[in-house]
Amino acid sequence: QKEVEQNSGPLSVPEGAIASLNCTYSDRVSQSFFWYRQYSGKSPELIMSIYSNGDKEDGRFTAQLNKASQYVSLLIRDSQPSDSATYLCAFSRGAGGTSYGKLTFGQGTILTVHP
Amino acid sequence: GAVVSQHPSRVICKSGTSVKIECRSLDFQATTMFWYRQFPKKSLMLMATSNEGSKATYEQGVEKDKFLINHASLTLSTLTVTSAHPEDSSFYICSASRLAVIEQYFGPGTRLTVT
Repeated sequence: QKEVEQNSGPLSVPEGAIASLNCTYSDRVSQSFFWYRQYSGKSPELIMSIYSNGDKEDGRFTAQLNKASQYVSLLIRDSQPSDSATYLCAFSRGAGGTSYGKLTFGQGTILTVHP
Repeated sequence: GAVVSQHPSRVICKSGTSVKIECRSLDFQATTMFWYRQFPKKSLMLMATSNEGSKATYEQGVEKDKFLINHASLTLSTLTVTSAHPEDSSFYICSASRLAVIEQYFGPGTRLTVT
């Protein structure tokens, strides 16, 4: 079983729609969860971090975490063509030891928002 | 805040030569820096974790004698690819984090091509 699995893409949504990206993880020790956006040829950019169960909203982005189900998602409301990119979920184990801060990335989901 | 730079952004070198890549945190002190590589259409693969003033911790399968990492100050880490070969051609990305802060901020990446 892969450590992190993201919903297979590519995902295509019309402009203005809600884009839903999902990620499951197998490591129950995971404490911190992140969503990164990566444009083609560029490095990842942090867009959301979430640490506790529930929803976290930031502008058009909402991250949802369910530790019992080992599931984290990202919703993008009012999707724009500029949101077209690869979205990477990542997790990190909690404090302690050399694993602190180390990120494990999913394979990414390509999102295309068409006008 | 949390700006990370990398230099060079792009480098082409001949097989057998060595290449040094610099990673700098511009507006914060980075107690930990991470080095990743990314192949086309693949996710990020962590190569090593470096803490200021101590030896880097390499991931399994990464040759420490080939990928030399130095983290001499709280704002600078370097990755030297020694005796580069065409299979080392990749996108190398560093990230940095502050003490006791889990979020990682990525540099813009260095695209290495070995001919």
